[in-house]
Amino acid sequence: GAVVSQHPSRVICKSGTSVKIECRSLDFQATTMFWYRQFPKKSLMLMATSNEGSKATYEQGVEKDKFLINHASLTLSTLTVTSAHPEDSSFYICSARGTSGSSYNEQFFGPGTRLTVL
Amino acid sequence: RKEVEQDPGPFNVPEGATVAFNCTYSNSASQSFFWYRQDCRKEPKLLMSVYSSGNEDGRFTAQLNRASQYISLLIRDSKLSDSATYLCAVNGGYQKVTFGIGTKLQVIP
Repeated sequence: GAVVSQHPSRVICKSGTSVKIECRSLDFQATTMFWYRQFPKKSLMLMATSNEGSKATYEQGVEKDKFLINHASLTLSTLTVTSAHPEDSSFYICSARGTSGSSYNEQFFGPGTRLTVL
Repeated sequence: RKEVEQDPGPFNVPEGATVAFNCTYSNSASQSFFWYRQDCRKEPKLLMSVYSSGNEDGRFTAQLNRASQYISLLIRDSKLSDSATYLCAVNGGYQKVTFGIGTKLQVIP
């Protein structure tokens, strides 16, 4: 159980375009999902916390107008990188938090999306 | 001071060796602690949660020292397949989990 999928796994786009990344919890409902970014040889950095049915909570320094998050259902959160630039090239990973029992507070990660902006 | 600090390594150890990693955290109110394993260009996968009483899973032992605000991971009888980056993660409340930079382990034949 506790499988999280992400789509696409890899995307290459031109500078100035927008890219949407989907994160789905396949076998459980996730009221809260998280979006992380990881640059090479750097730690996972939390970008925002996505709450179903409400606005996302962004970490300091993350532009909410550039990284649009929508959590329209209990199994789907999307991250849209708007007007992407080469410096946005990174590994984007979502996670969903377990909601009960031994998995409470454990985060289940999607496989990640590698974004390359040319 | 960073919220979660780890020695990035790399730790190069021979097969069969015992290796230990530490991770310090700055928020004394942190509530839960985890070790994740991340293979190159892959997502992190939970290795084990860390409990106050310590916990062991096969060759892996995790311990928590609240007084000194660190967690540790001990790997016994290292295997080649243990080569990876080990991330510690700390839940400081409000659902937010902060990750360390990770410690890279390379097990050598």
